[in-house]
Amino acid sequence: GAVVSQHPSRVICKSGTSVKIECRSLDFQATTMFWYRQFPKQSLMLMATSNEGSKATYEQGVEKDKFLINHASLTLSTLTVTSAHPEDSSFYICSARDMGIFQGGGETQYFGPGTRLLVL
Amino acid sequence: GDSVTQMEGPVTLSEEAFLTINCTYTATGYPSLFWYVQYPGEGLQLLLKATKADDKGSNKGFEATYRKETTSFHLEKGSVQVSDSAVYFCALSDLHSGGYQKVTFGIGTKLQVIP
Repeated sequence: GAVVSQHPSRVICKSGTSVKIECRSLDFQATTMFWYRQFPKQSLMLMATSNEGSKATYEQGVEKDKFLINHASLTLSTLTVTSAHPEDSSFYICSARDMGIFQGGGETQYFGPGTRLLVL
Repeated sequence: GDSVTQMEGPVTLSEEAFLTINCTYTATGYPSLFWYVQYPGEGLQLLLKATKADDKGSNKGFEATYRKETTSFHLEKGSVQVSDSAVYFCALSDLHSGGYQKVTFGIGTKLQVIP
C-alpha cells in the first residue's frame, strides 16, 4: 500500500525558534498533501492543503505566516512552524492523496506517522 | 458543513467481547466513509472504507456498512483482542469547494480491551 513518511518523528525546541517538518510520499506521487494538527485526546483538525507548485490553502483560523507550507515536488511537502511557542506544542500529521488512484465517489488519503512537537 | 459524530468513550471490553462503535454523519454531498485506527504514539492507519450506500467495508475482523438512510457507519467486531486497544476515528471524505476531497474526522473513540 501507499506509504507516507514524516521527519522528524519527535522534536523539542526552545521558544522562538523555527521547526521544519517534512512529509514524503515514498511510493507514489502526490499533487496534494494535507497537514493536520491533533491536540491531546482530540480529533485531527485540518490546517492546510498543500498543492504542488502553488500556494497552500489554509483553513479558517490558521495563521499562514506562522505555519509555512512548501510543496516543492510531487513527493515532498514541508511545514515550518515559525517562532514556535509552547502553545504550538502538538502532534502534527500529514497525509497525501495518491493521484494514481481514484475510486469513484471518494478517494483515500494516506497518513504519515506524525511528528510530536514540544516547545519549551 | 460536514460533520461526524461518534461516541467518545473510553470503551472498555473484555477480550473476545463484541464491539460496536457508533458513527453518524452529515454531509452536503455524497461522501465516502472511513474508519481509521491510531495506536499509541503513532499516526493514523486506514482500517476500512466504503464509497457508496450499502457497501460494507471490512478488514482484520472489523466491518462497517454504509447506511445512507440512517447516515451511519457503525464499526463492529465480533471478538476483540487486547491488540485492538487503540483510538478509532470515523471520517468522511467529501468534495470541498476548492475542488479537492476534504476529510472530516470524528472525535475518536478510545477502546481498551482487557485480558
